[in-house]
Amino acid sequence: AQTVTQSQPEMSVQEAETVTLSCTYDTSESDYYLFWYKQPPSRQMILVIRQEAYKQQNATENRFSVNFQKAAKSFSLKISDSQLGDAAMYFCAYRWVQKLVFGQGTRLTINP
Amino acid sequence: NAGVMQNPRHLVRRRGQEARLRCSPMKGHSHVYWYRQLPEEGLKFMVYLQKENIIDESGMPKERFSAEFPKEGPSILRIQQVVRGDSAAYFCASSQGLAGVFYEQFFGPGTRLTVL
Repeated sequence: AQTVTQSQPEMSVQEAETVTLSCTYDTSESDYYLFWYKQPPSRQMILVIRQEAYKQQNATENRFSVNFQKAAKSFSLKISDSQLGDAAMYFCAYRWVQKLVFGQGTRLTINP
Repeated sequence: NAGVMQNPRHLVRRRGQEARLRCSPMKGHSHVYWYRQLPEEGLKFMVYLQKENIIDESGMPKERFSAEFPKEGPSILRIQQVVRGDSAAYFCASSQGLAGVFYEQFFGPGTRLTVL
């Protein structure tokens, strides 16, 4: 079964600094999608970034970028120039068939 | 274009009552997914439906839970005889069609169910 593991329950970073959130997954598939979602206190799930496994180039969305290591089954999220509005739960997810498998989440705190 | 809508946003039920959660997908979306989030956990897949069909219900508890997505109207997640362990946030997501083709899932704001 596909599993997603986030080993950091909590992380904190100073405003304007860079932080990296870790994620590993397990799959026997060769073609798949990986995602990072943000869940602020409002609980709305917001898609931050998406990576297609067959693309070797790491995805980037403004201050958010990923380090996708397919052989190691690792998919970390880097947030540059952290802002107070980045404070939230972050979930890594793997798309298997038509459903998403989520990790346990990492709570990110931004210190002013 | 309105996003995925869920109602109610908050629902309180006593043990043994029924809970009905509604989800209206985005316009043009024919696929609906339900996920459950227990406190301090990630979302867990429950069921995937297309209009009038349940495609994958591998994450649904075997008893008391059911889901439907009729030809007209919203998708309904129904929980009969609720127990305290059903207290959670229930999220609905929708996407465009075609199994096997990637379409992004857009999430609703969730329904927080509290069982007293």
